[in-house]
Amino acid sequence: NAGVTQTPKFQVLKTGQSMTLQCAQDMNHEYMSWYRQDPGMGLRLIHYSVGAGITDQGEVPNGYNVSRSTTEDFPLRLLSAAPSQTSVYFCASSYSVAGVQYFGPGTRLTVT
Amino acid sequence: AQTVTQSQPEMSVQEAETVTLSCTYDTSENNYYLFWYKQPPSRQMILVIRQEAYKQQNATENRFSVNFQKAAKSFSLKISDSQLGDTAMYFCAFMNPSGKLIFGQGTTLQVKP
Repeated sequence: NAGVTQTPKFQVLKTGQSMTLQCAQDMNHEYMSWYRQDPGMGLRLIHYSVGAGITDQGEVPNGYNVSRSTTEDFPLRLLSAAPSQTSVYFCASSYSVAGVQYFGPGTRLTVT
Repeated sequence: AQTVTQSQPEMSVQEAETVTLSCTYDTSENNYYLFWYKQPPSRQMILVIRQEAYKQQNATENRFSVNFQKAAKSFSLKISDSQLGDTAMYFCAFMNPSGKLIFGQGTTLQVKP
């Protein structure tokens, strides 16, 4: 098993550009989620999904879209990047809602 | 809204000694889950320990144990026989039954030789 994979590892965007952060898991996990980590603020939940076709908002959803068309994939879309979205982004998955969450290695995004 | 507070931004401990990291949370839920995660310099998030709120018994995992006080909404982590590899940022996290996971701000732990 590859576990939870994220691409890219690093990305630099200009303000206003759009992009998609990819997240995939091969553990047949139902629950997937996206977090951002800023210095001194811990991880904050952006969006999460309890199964294919079902998504919900977390603490900081503005400026981000998600979809879950398959169990394996949970992409995060930035519609119009802003400097405030400069952060490290983590994807995580678990077998069930309260199960152990396995995290990907993270994507460091810089918006200039 | 649920909140998680870690009041110790930084802590240090001598190798082989014991250290306790504090965490408090605020919720009106009765059923929920609590976690401690470790984030070493590699940035990888690693689960340390998990506690279900309906269980009165404190969870333990080898050298790691928690003191879960539901009425006080407190969830501290005790690391016994600290090792150099325990040096990391530690995050306390709260999950409600619908799956929202809320993290505290983190505590940086330095284990000194």
